[in-house]
Amino acid sequence: DADVTQTPRNRITKTGKRIMLECSQTKGHDRMYWYRQDPGLGLRLIYYSFDVKDINKGEISDGYSVSRQAQAKFSLSLESAIPNQTALYFCATSDARELDTQYFGPGTRLTVL
Amino acid sequence: SQELEQSPQSLIVQEGKNLTINCTSSKTLYGLYWYKQKYGEGLIFLMMLQKGGEEKSHEKITAKLDEKKQQSSLHITASQPSHAGIYLCGAVSSGGYQKVTFGTGTKLQVIP
Repeated sequence: DADVTQTPRNRITKTGKRIMLECSQTKGHDRMYWYRQDPGLGLRLIYYSFDVKDINKGEISDGYSVSRQAQAKFSLSLESAIPNQTALYFCATSDARELDTQYFGPGTRLTVL
Repeated sequence: SQELEQSPQSLIVQEGKNLTINCTSSKTLYGLYWYKQKYGEGLIFLMMLQKGGEEKSHEKITAKLDEKKQQSSLHITASQPSHAGIYLCGAVSSGGYQKVTFGTGTKLQVIP
């Protein structure tokens, strides 16, 4: 079984809808991250969390919110989706004992019509 | 903010040929990660470099960090179709290992 899983893997939704993307990990890592990937722009950090009580904004947090329900779960919400949020979303985890090498989930492809 | 430039942006090579991908930072490199991504899938960690001059190998892939040039190179020897994908570098900034800036990637195709 994969160490970092994301659900759903694909989602098509309409403008204005609320969407939640979920991430679970079995690596026992404290730190979790959400990124989006767009062609030509690389990976950009949306939010990151160092433990259950610690949530931090990344470089592009506007329009997104997150919830760290447990050490193993970190979800990303789009309160009112818009077309320019169409992207590939990745969750990642890391541990300070491994120099914070980030391990990525398989990604969620989100399309907002 | 730190910017990473990868070159080339895309590369097509014949199976068996060697190739090099470069990653150049606009700021001091405190560490450098290399990842491989299959099209539309997650990133697979290849290796991490920490010190200037450090060189690591994983199967037929070798990466080196040149601190003075603020650059890392990834070299693939005797390329195979299984090497095809997108290679991304990620730089560690002064903010710490948990804050990584990623390059836009190099797309590699290997023709049998």
